[in-house]
Amino acid sequence: DIVMTQSPATLSVSPGESATLSCRASQSVANLLAWYQQRPGQAPRLLIYGASTRATGVPARFSGSGSGTEFTLTISSLQSEDFAIYYCQQYSNWPPLTFGGGTKVDI
Amino acid sequence: QLQLQESGPGLVKPSETLSLTCTGSGDSINSGGYYWGWIRQSPGKGLEWIGSVYYNGRTYYNPSLNSRATISIDTSKNHFSLNLTSMTAADTAMYYCARRRWGYMDVWGKGTTVIVSS
Repeated sequence: DIVMTQSPATLSVSPGESATLSCRASQSVANLLAWYQQRPGQAPRLLIYGASTRATGVPARFSGSGSGTEFTLTISSLQSEDFAIYYCQQYSNWPPLTFGGGTKVDI
Repeated sequence: QLQLQESGPGLVKPSETLSLTCTGSGDSINSGGYYWGWIRQSPGKGLEWIGSVYYNGRTYYNPSLNSRATISIDTSKNHFSLNLTSMTAADTAMYYCARRRWGYMDVWGKGTTVIVSS
């Protein structure tokens, strides 16, 4: 199985600042990587697929980059609704589809 | 716009089989190009993919579940289902159903809590 490792586990930022989240794959997944946002008490929501393509309705302040084994999700000018947990997920080599352990972005 | 809704018992006894259903509304699940699947999240933990079913019935499972999971689809009822046998406390989790496009999940249900306890 491909192991996805996210860092940091928790990221403390202030509203208006930017946040950079990392995701590393145990082997190359090319660009077959997605990012999800999970707010408290809610289901995950797709943000990014194909490593860098924003899903429908996702604000432009969310951007994804990377390929191979190293990926980044950047949130510019954080707003209150962005404080959540973010997960990466690979879909290069499955089954199984695998998720990272998550990064919590808090104030 | 497609919406998904999970349904099933919130409490299951150890060793019993969990049966959950995910019903689609607003669009048909009988469309090629999509997989329909289940993901779970243990309390305070991350996400674990359980498996998926294609509209034609072909299934894929997470090997970590040791063949305990069975996913089926009934396009006439616009729903798909999960059976998970030999439940233990370790299976206590929020269970989500989701539509999978290529490899990523683009539509999620709100989730249903399942507790395993006698």
